Amino acid sequence: DTEVTQTPKHLVMGMTNKKSLKCEQHMGHRAMYWYKQKAKKPPELMFVYSYEKLSINESVPSRFSPECPNSSLLNLHLHALQPEDSALYLCASSQVVGGELFFGEGSRLTVL
Amino acid sequence: GENVEQHPSTLSVQEGDSAVIKCTYSDSASNYFPWYKQELGKGPQLIIDIRSNVGEKKDQRIAVTLNKTAKHFSLHITETQPEDSAVYFCAASYSFGNEKLTFGTGTRLTIIP
Repeated sequence: DTEVTQTPKHLVMGMTNKKSLKCEQHMGHRAMYWYKQKAKKPPELMFVYSYEKLSINESVPSRFSPECPNSSLLNLHLHALQPEDSALYLCASSQVVGGELFFGEGSRLTVL
Repeated sequence: GENVEQHPSTLSVQEGDSAVIKCTYSDSASNYFPWYKQELGKGPQLIIDIRSNVGEKKDQRIAVTLNKTAKHFSLHITETQPEDSAVYFCAASYSFGNEKLTFGTGTRLTIIP
């Protein structure tokens, strides 16, 4: 199994809503990542988890809250988002930090 | 920090012809250079990578060349096929074990049947 699975594929939320994005991998990878991708732009790193501990937070606003419940799961909790946060949110994993990245198909988020 | 420039931003080639995408990087300490392909509605997928101790790497129709002196690297796709149509991103990092991968701005490649 070489897949990274993200749910939901599409999410529309208001600025006062609380929602979560979920990511799952069963490749035994110990590093997991959240990236944000705006249209026609490259992915931008948000967070890195290594062995279930947060190792990188790229100065992401606190309205984005990551969580790594176990080595296979990664969540991104969303609260009080702004319309400019609308984007494709990509989860990725790698065997170790900095290794080959395996990306999921992304969750397309629209904030109204 | 590292800065990666990528050209061209769009590229159209006839099916069967070759396509070349070029990237330059700013930090001479970078030594790992992967290339990702992103198809419509999908996440990026690694297609080939190269480390600084190698000047060229080939995998079937895809090859990457690296010139560390000039700080640029290129992706070459030969005998292009319609399924090669996608957005391609180059990237660079200080080392294979470094989580901070800097992406180029992307090239939208269109293969004309």
